[in-house]
Amino acid sequence: EAQVTQNPRYLITVTGKKLTVTCSQNMNHEYMSWYRQDPGLGLRQIYYSMNVEVTDKGDVPEGYKVSRKEKRNFPLILESPSPNQTSLYFCASSWKSAYEQYFGPGTRLTVT
Amino acid sequence: GESVGLHLPTLSVQEGDNSIINCAYSNSASDYFIWYKQESGKGPQFIIDIRSNMDKRQGQRVTVLLNKTVKHLSLQIAATQPGDSAVYFCAARGSGNQFYFGTGTSLTVIP
Repeated sequence: EAQVTQNPRYLITVTGKKLTVTCSQNMNHEYMSWYRQDPGLGLRQIYYSMNVEVTDKGDVPEGYKVSRKEKRNFPLILESPSPNQTSLYFCASSWKSAYEQYFGPGTRLTVT
Repeated sequence: GESVGLHLPTLSVQEGDNSIINCAYSNSASDYFIWYKQESGKGPQFIIDIRSNMDKRQGQRVTVLLNKTVKHLSLQIAATQPGDSAVYFCAARGSGNQFYFGTGTSLTVIP
């Protein structure tokens, strides 16, 4: 089944404790992206990747890192999480950027 | 910066009626637009897309209209059903392969 998977689905952590949210797709897509969703603000793009070893900042990249060492994986790293990073995070992928994006189920992160 | 906005945060329609959800974007260089549906507790789901070289595109019960002159697009849902109740987002590809999403319109279908 074609899908985008994210782990974990739920995470509660404390300020400053490094964490990684994994994202994997099995569709051989070139374009992958991370978004955060906050009430009243909609979806905002954090980082995106056009292909392996190619990543670019989105609208809200501060406090986040990403890597794209393999085509299927695109982890989101929070080196020192802060409470303002409490949010619902979505990973998405598409064949290329101007094509339908498939979204993962979301990761709800709470930073206390 | 670039932005995408939806005109109404909520919309209620009677079952069987047509629904129209509107969206405006700011970047005249945007060349690709998508409509998504998001049900509670789930990730956004693709509905339909349109490229800037088109004015209209139709799918099953859905039509997207693009007016590049006024930087506006709309999603029309024909014969709206209770299963169409969800939040609808438009998104635009701006400069450099970055995407901008609207804040969403919550559609409620009244049986």
